[in-house]
Amino acid sequence: AQSVTQLDSHVSVSEGTPVLLRCNYSSSYSPSLFWYVQHPNKGLQLLLKYTSAATLVKGINGFEAEFKKSETSFHLTKPSAHMSDAAEYFCVVSGNKLVFGAGTILRVKS
Amino acid sequence: NAGVTQTPKFRVLKTGQSMTLLCAQDMNHEYMYWYRQDPGMGLRLIHYSVGEGTTAKGEVPDGYNVSRLKKQNFLLGLESAAPSQTSVYFCASSLAGVFTDTQYFGPGTRLTVL
Repeated sequence: AQSVTQLDSHVSVSEGTPVLLRCNYSSSYSPSLFWYVQHPNKGLQLLLKYTSAATLVKGINGFEAEFKKSETSFHLTKPSAHMSDAAEYFCVVSGNKLVFGAGTILRVKS
Repeated sequence: NAGVTQTPKFRVLKTGQSMTLLCAQDMNHEYMYWYRQDPGMGLRLIHYSVGEGTTAKGEVPDGYNVSRLKKQNFLLGLESAAPSQTSVYFCASSLAGVFTDTQYFGPGTRLTVL
């Protein structure tokens, strides 16, 4: 069985400061892990994907995530937030099915 | 290359009415999916298809039917709509590896059932 927990439902940062969105997972399989972003009234777009190659995964728009098996975590980070990063972010784990986290809404203050 | 498109974008139904949501993809993807998104619950899989002519149940299939007569199209039907089916519906497709490959999402259909 798989599950995913996004530890924060809302995160607020100032423009130019770092972003950290936290995700813990559990899986009976060697999982694939994804981060998707959803801008208001839009579909989901893939940010990055982990599939057991490098544990540090680089994605689009300066985002990256580190797979930590010992901590069962896959946190999403970005060194410097931009106003356009304001959106909802979903952590997703896959094995025999795809399981979405509940989402984290990122607010970026000017 | 339009990717994944969905029609309609918005719809309001009365309880008991029926409707069909259409999903189309032009990427020659083998796998297609229907999800519903409700506040605070992420996305939940309704039905999926691993190829033309095949369908399978997902996490929340009750009250919905699907068909995949052509590889590029995946239809989601509501035979008798209920207020609990008020939601945003997303279609997605992937090239390979059901549930393990990157999924490409459509823009969504916002459905309200009164």
